[in-house]
Amino acid sequence: AQSVTQLDSQVPVFEEAPVELRCNYSSSVSVYLFWYVQYPNQGLQLLLKYLSGSTLVESINGFEAEFNKSQTSFHLRKPSVHISDTAEYFCAVSAYGGSQGNLIFGKGTKLSVKP
Amino acid sequence: DTEVTQTPKHLVMGMTNKKSLKCEQHMGHRAMYWYKQKAKKPPELMFVYSYEKLSINESVPSRFSPECPNSSLLNLHLHALQPEDSALYLCASSKGLAGGPETQYFGPGTRLLVL
Repeated sequence: AQSVTQLDSQVPVFEEAPVELRCNYSSSVSVYLFWYVQYPNQGLQLLLKYLSGSTLVESINGFEAEFNKSQTSFHLRKPSVHISDTAEYFCAVSAYGGSQGNLIFGKGTKLSVKP
Repeated sequence: DTEVTQTPKHLVMGMTNKKSLKCEQHMGHRAMYWYKQKAKKPPELMFVYSYEKLSINESVPSRFSPECPNSSLLNLHLHALQPEDSALYLCASSKGLAGGPETQYFGPGTRLLVL
């Protein structure tokens, strides 16, 4: 079975500051890793994903995440946040050999960007 | 195009009403999902359809009845709901390839309030 731990339930940060949202996972088999973002009163949007290849993946709006197999982590980073980045961020894993729909979510991290 | 659409955006219903939620995708995906999301929580999987057949039912009460009329459409029929069923209902889709993890794309959700 797989599990996902998002270590911080809330992360307050000032605009233009760097931010890191932490995600650790547990799995005995290879996984795909995802970050989804949920803006207030909206659905989930895929922010970025790691399937294979380069361990550093980037999104179009400046976020990046690095897959670290030895530390079983997939932390999300942005060097300079904007007010518009205020949202809930969910880390998720999907494992090889799992049943259809096997997407395991962390509990989420609420990023609050203050002016 | 990675768009999943859902209608209606908002729904208020009484406990004796019958209503339906609709989800549509035109990405050629063959797996579709219903999730329920309560406030400040991650989404919880309810149902999975694979090639228009129900493949997973996560022990959802019978007052929720899913239907997949074709590969692009997914409905969720609601009857005799309880106030605790009030939540954001999210639809998602993926390619539906067997044997491996997949990327799920989510719709904007239907926010349901049961009075």
